[in-house]
Amino acid sequence: GQQVMQIPQYQHVQEGEDFTTYCNSSTTLSNIQWYKQRPGGHPVFLIQLVKSGEVKKQKRLTFQFGEAKKNSSLHITATQTTDVGTYFCAGGGSQGNLIFGKGTKLSVKP
Amino acid sequence: DAGITQSPRYKITETGRQVTLMCHQTWSHSYMFWYRQDLGHGLRLIYYSAAADITDKGEVPDGYVVSRSKTENFPLTLESATRSQTSVYFCASTNGGSGNTIYFGEGSWLTVV
Repeated sequence: GQQVMQIPQYQHVQEGEDFTTYCNSSTTLSNIQWYKQRPGGHPVFLIQLVKSGEVKKQKRLTFQFGEAKKNSSLHITATQTTDVGTYFCAGGGSQGNLIFGKGTKLSVKP
Repeated sequence: DAGITQSPRYKITETGRQVTLMCHQTWSHSYMFWYRQDLGHGLRLIYYSAAADITDKGEVPDGYVVSRSKTENFPLTLESATRSQTSVYFCASTNGGSGNTIYFGEGSWLTVV
C-alpha cells in the first residue's frame, strides 16, 4: 500500500540551530498535513498544504510541498526548547485516507 | 481538543483479559479512528469508521474489535490482551476525508502484564 517515509527518525540540536524533517511518498499525494506531538501529549494539527510547490510559514516554521506533490519538508529556524516533540507528516492517499509518516523526534539542548 | 475524550487514560491489565478503551466525540464527526503508537513505529492505524455501523480494518487490526453503533462513540476492545498490545492508543476523528484536519484524543496508556 501507499507509504509516506519520513526522515530523520531522531534529531538532536543545540538551541538556536535550525532543524528540518522530510517526507517522501512514491505516489502523488492529494495534500500533506503536519502534526506536532509534545512529549507525553497527543498529535496536534499544525498546517495543511494542498497546491503543488506551496510554501507556508508559521513564525519560525516553514512548510513546503514539492512540485510533484510527492514530498514535503518542515524547517524550523533557530530552534527553541519549546520546539521539542515529534513532528509527523501525513499525506492524503488515493483512497481518501491519510497516511502518517513515522515522525521525527526533535530534542533541543539549551 | 476537549471535544474528543478517551477513557481510561491509564490501564494495567493481565494477559488474556478483555479490555475496552472508550472514545467519545462531541463534534458529530463522521470519521473516527484508532491508532496505536509504539517507539519506532509512529502512529499505526488499527481500525477506522466512516460512519455509524461502518468499520474497516487498518494496518494492524489483529487482536482488536471495534463497533460504532452511535456516531459519537467508537470503542476499541482487546478481546484477549497480550503483552505485545502494551502501547499508547489514540482515538481520533475528522469530518471528512484526507483533506480535513484530524483531531486526536489525549491517549490511553495500556500496559499488559
